[in-house]
Amino acid sequence: GDSVTQMEGPVTLSEEAFLTINCTYTATGYPSLFWYVQYPGEGLQLLLKATKADDKGSNKGFEATYRKETTSFHLEKGSVQVSDSAVYFCALENSGGSNYKLTFGKGTLLTVNP
Amino acid sequence: KAGVTQTPRYLIKTRGQQVTLSCSPISGHRSVSWYQQTPGQGLQFLFEYFSETQRNKGNFPGRFSGRQFSNSRSEMNVSTLELGDSALYLCASSSSRVADTQYFGPGTRLTVL
Repeated sequence: GDSVTQMEGPVTLSEEAFLTINCTYTATGYPSLFWYVQYPGEGLQLLLKATKADDKGSNKGFEATYRKETTSFHLEKGSVQVSDSAVYFCALENSGGSNYKLTFGKGTLLTVNP
Repeated sequence: KAGVTQTPRYLIKTRGQQVTLSCSPISGHRSVSWYQQTPGQGLQFLFEYFSETQRNKGNFPGRFSGRQFSNSRSEMNVSTLELGDSALYLCASSSSRVADTQYFGPGTRLTVL
């Protein structure tokens, strides 16, 4: 079945540091890929998405590129802020038979210190 | 546009009881999905409804059920609660096209004692 593997945290960075959170996936068909963020006490918010190979999703300084050859969708940000502290989830939706269902990674807790 | 709303936000029940959670999607969204979030298992898909029909179901026991009404509002029910059912239950709505963004509500925190 479909699965998502992302680097487990926690990740602790200083403000303005570079961020990478690795995400790889296993899926049949042609999945769409997502990054969601969850702030304390809240639900999930979509951060960015990519629906086909080589697409780059970007939002709020975060970027991720859909790499089909390496089945990866790594999240990057050049300069993190304290307000970026949250849990980040990589997810896929597979058009090849498990439509309408997001499969999530375990989540990565990011803490940014001033 | 109002976001996804879930009621109640917090719930405490005892083993053996049943519980009903409610979700109101974003206006115009006809697809509603439910997820269970626990520290051990992470986020797991429960089921998805569109136009009052269940289109997809996750690997949960039959004690977990749901339904959707004609106004797209959805409820999920858990019968004969177990301690392991303690979790954050998240509802998400979308316009139902594949790969469309799912918008999540704040969740209902269920504690089973």
